[in-house]
Amino acid sequence: QVQLVESGGGVVQPGRSLRLSCAASGFTFSHYAMHWVRQAPGKGLEWVAIISYDGSNIYYADSVKGRFTISRDNSKNTLYFQMNSLRAEDTAVYYCARDLQQWLVDGYFEYWGQGTLVTVSS
Amino acid sequence: EIVLTQSPATLSLSPGERATLSCRASQSVSSYLAWYQQKPGQAPRLLIYDALTRATGIPARFSGSGSGTDFTLTISSLEPEDFAVYYCQQRSNWRGETFGPGTKVDIK
Repeated sequence: QVQLVESGGGVVQPGRSLRLSCAASGFTFSHYAMHWVRQAPGKGLEWVAIISYDGSNIYYADSVKGRFTISRDNSKNTLYFQMNSLRAEDTAVYYCARDLQQWLVDGYFEYWGQGTLVTVSS
Repeated sequence: EIVLTQSPATLSLSPGERATLSCRASQSVSSYLAWYQQKPGQAPRLLIYDALTRATGIPARFSGSGSGTDFTLTISSLEPEDFAVYYCQQRSNWRGETFGPGTKVDIK
């Protein structure tokens, strides 16, 4: 069965960096676009980044552009999210999510991880 | 930027009743709209995509309709496990997937 397991969250001071990982299993990781979606405590969902199946296309929400970097290692079935210059407003549960269809950047999130909490606080 | 609004914010119903949730887009998203269900402490679950297609394993009591700017998620007869928050999401411009603010369906 499809599994997505995030790790790397924690408490970090404003301005510092953190790298999240998402280990994928149960499907051919290299065939699917992947996303990061976040949810601030008690708030709604916010899409933040997408990477195509081969890493050739990457897009970010304006709220993280220039500070965060999405990447993937298809040989390790792992998605990454490098977060730099963190701000208090980046505090959220970060979910990795798999796109619905192979090869395409479909933009629907069929499978989700359990999420990892990032808290930015001094 | 396309903005999604959802109504009502909260829907209080009893098990067995019909739930009708609305999602409106600030401009046409064609049929590129999805619905997700989220329970406390859990990740969201994809219910409906392309406005009316049920995702794998989703019960038939969930149905979607609409196109352009107005969409509806209908739960024909609420089961106890259906009380949750529901989000709509558009992918018309996939460079900026956006979610609506959510509708909470709670027990009356």
